[in-house]
Amino acid sequence: DVKVTQSSRYLVKRTGEKVFLECVQDMDHENMFWYRQDPGLGLRLIYFSYDVKMKEKGDIPEGYSVSREKKERFSLILESASTNQTSMYLCASSWMTGSGGYTFGSGTRLTVV
Amino acid sequence: AQRVTQPEKLLSVFKGAPVELKCNYSYSGSPELFWYVQYSRQRLQLLLRHISRESIKGFTADLNKGETSFHLKKPFAQEEDSAMYYCALSGSSSNTGKLIFGQGTTLQVKP
Repeated sequence: DVKVTQSSRYLVKRTGEKVFLECVQDMDHENMFWYRQDPGLGLRLIYFSYDVKMKEKGDIPEGYSVSREKKERFSLILESASTNQTSMYLCASSWMTGSGGYTFGSGTRLTVV
Repeated sequence: AQRVTQPEKLLSVFKGAPVELKCNYSYSGSPELFWYVQYSRQRLQLLLRHISRESIKGFTADLNKGETSFHLKKPFAQEEDSAMYYCALSGSSSNTGKLIFGQGTTLQVKP
């Protein structure tokens, strides 16, 4: 019954490594999003995509990039991981207008050491 | 600028007491508002949205455009309501479905 799948639940990476976080949805949603979730800061939007190969920066895109080659898959890339990118990363998808709300993945807890 | 504010980081009540989780927003147009909930070790999920005017798990929320608020209420809290709650806003002018989330409020219901 899982509709948004994030490939890893926990990841530990070293500073400077290139990190890939993968997200797949099976609901044919147009929109996909990457957020990071930090205590006291809520959810902050990193990047989103409203169509294949289309992407837009969110509120905190620095140090991140994304890729959407297929409608169902949205990847978040940390070009050179740093300790301040240690966080919970949440992927979500929605229909184009978003009025039906988001469906979230279970999250990836990334620790950069 | 669009903004969502949840003034309380933590709200602690006893079982059976009324609950009100506060949410205020800043948006110049007609907003669409949501409440999301995250139970321990579960994924974030939609609780309710103002356009459907529904009651889920005994929770209701009314959009007050005059006070720019969308507070979440429940008359009698249950222990299983303990969770993190996020208020979220989508602007009507946006055709991308992008949501802006508040900082979240942890609800703790004590026995």
